[in-house]
Amino acid sequence: DQQVKQNSPSLSVQEGRISILNCDYTNSMFDYFLWYKKYPAEGPTFLISISSIKDKNEDGRFTVFLNKSAKHLSLHIVPSQPGDSAVYFCAASESLTGGGNKLTFGTGTQLKVEL
Amino acid sequence: GAGVSQSPSNKVTEKGKDVELRCDPISGHTALYWYRQSLGQGLEFLIYFQGNSAPDKSGLPSDRFSAERTGGSVSTLTIQRTQQEDSAVYLCASSSRTGGTGELFFGEGSRLTVL
Repeated sequence: DQQVKQNSPSLSVQEGRISILNCDYTNSMFDYFLWYKKYPAEGPTFLISISSIKDKNEDGRFTVFLNKSAKHLSLHIVPSQPGDSAVYFCAASESLTGGGNKLTFGTGTQLKVEL
Repeated sequence: GAGVSQSPSNKVTEKGKDVELRCDPISGHTALYWYRQSLGQGLEFLIYFQGNSAPDKSGLPSDRFSAERTGGSVSTLTIQRTQQEDSAVYLCASSSRTGGTGELFFGEGSRLTVL
């Protein structure tokens, strides 16, 4: 049972346009949502996060939107650049007993930004 | 080093053999996590260490998997009697805090192939 779903395995956009990556979740207990970016042969790197009590968080070209009633979040990248081409993972965080956070990841969306 | 270090980067083994994967977290990070990514799948939580507390082993897929963390720093993930379905990239991550956004810093991973 996938608690975090990314239904689009790939997305292709033109340089300068907006990229929108989507993510759906099922567990209402998640308290933070995060986006990670992964290049081939590298570990995922943190991109941006949002608390479950917020509906928007912006950091430069990256904005994450959260719709709790729909259990949906999205990552907007504008303008998209060729260097943004990577796999993007949506992750949801829940607290572990004794502290720490367990991240549940989606299966990722391969973004390709074309010239 | 500045980041999370994992070794080996690649490991090919025969079915039934034991393997050990090593993780050296970022200095000062008290929280350490193991995840794995099988082909076409998202990252799957395996185990979490926080300081001297008992680890959260809720994600370990079978009793063939075990992990230890010595001195609150380096961790070793051991897989006994490896099976072909154990083939995956095993990722280690560390964090400087409990709670909060759950931002984790990942290593580059150890790719395990079981023949």
